[in-house]
Amino acid sequence: AQSVSQHNHHVILSEAASLELGCNYSYGGTVNLFWYVQYPGQHLQLLLKYFSGDPLVKGIKGFEAEFIKSKFSFNLRKPSVQWSDTAEYFCAVSSSGGYNKLIFGAGTRLAVHP
Amino acid sequence: EPEVTQTPSHQVTQMGQEVILRCVPISNHLYFYWYRQILGQKVEFLVSFYNNEISEKSEIFDDQFSVERPDGSNFTLKIRSTKLEDSAMYFCASSGAGVDDEKLFFGSGTQLSVL
Repeated sequence: AQSVSQHNHHVILSEAASLELGCNYSYGGTVNLFWYVQYPGQHLQLLLKYFSGDPLVKGIKGFEAEFIKSKFSFNLRKPSVQWSDTAEYFCAVSSSGGYNKLIFGAGTRLAVHP
Repeated sequence: EPEVTQTPSHQVTQMGQEVILRCVPISNHLYFYWYRQILGQKVEFLVSFYNNEISEKSEIFDDQFSVERPDGSNFTLKIRSTKLEDSAMYFCASSGAGVDDEKLFFGSGTQLSVL
C-alpha cells in the first residue's frame, strides 16, 4: 500500500532562514508527487507537482522540490522563508495515470518568526 | 483561478442525525472527491466519483456514507447517522481531464462537529 512519511511535524524558523521539509513515500510503481500548503483558515493549495521529467520542480512562491527516485524522496525547499510562509505543508502521492486518490503525509507545521 | 466551493463552512449536529455536505466542483471537471481531516491527523481519502458513479472508496467510506451528483453541478456527501468520530474537516475536490488532470482543486472545507 502507498504511504507518505513527513519527518518533521513542527518546524520553527526565523525569517530569511532556509527551509527543507522531508518527504518519503512508499510505492512500487510510477508515482506523481505533490506538495500542498494550507494557510491558517484556508483550503489546501497546490504548491508544486512532479509527474515526470526534470526531477527538480519549481513551484509557486519560491518553493522547489527535488524528486530522488533512489531514495523515494521528494523534499521541499525554499532558500529564504518569509513570515507569510507560516502554514501547514502536506506531501502527497498518487499512482500515475488517470484519476487517482491522493495519499497524504501527516503534514508539517511551519512557523516563521519575524 | 476557478474554485471549488463548499457549504456550509461549519456544521454542528447531534449524534445519530443525518448531515449533507455540499460542494460545487469546478464546472468542466469530471472527477470528484471527498477527503477528511480529523483534528491533528492526516488528510484521508474517502471516495472518488466519476461518470455518475463511485470509482474508488476507502475503508472509512462505509454504509453510513453516500455521495450524489444530483443536478450536474452539486456534489454531495451524506452521512446517514453521524457518530462522534465523524467530527472532522471534510474537503471536496475536483479534477479535470486536461494537461493538469491530476491536479486536484480543493474547497475550503466543511468543519463538521458531532455532539
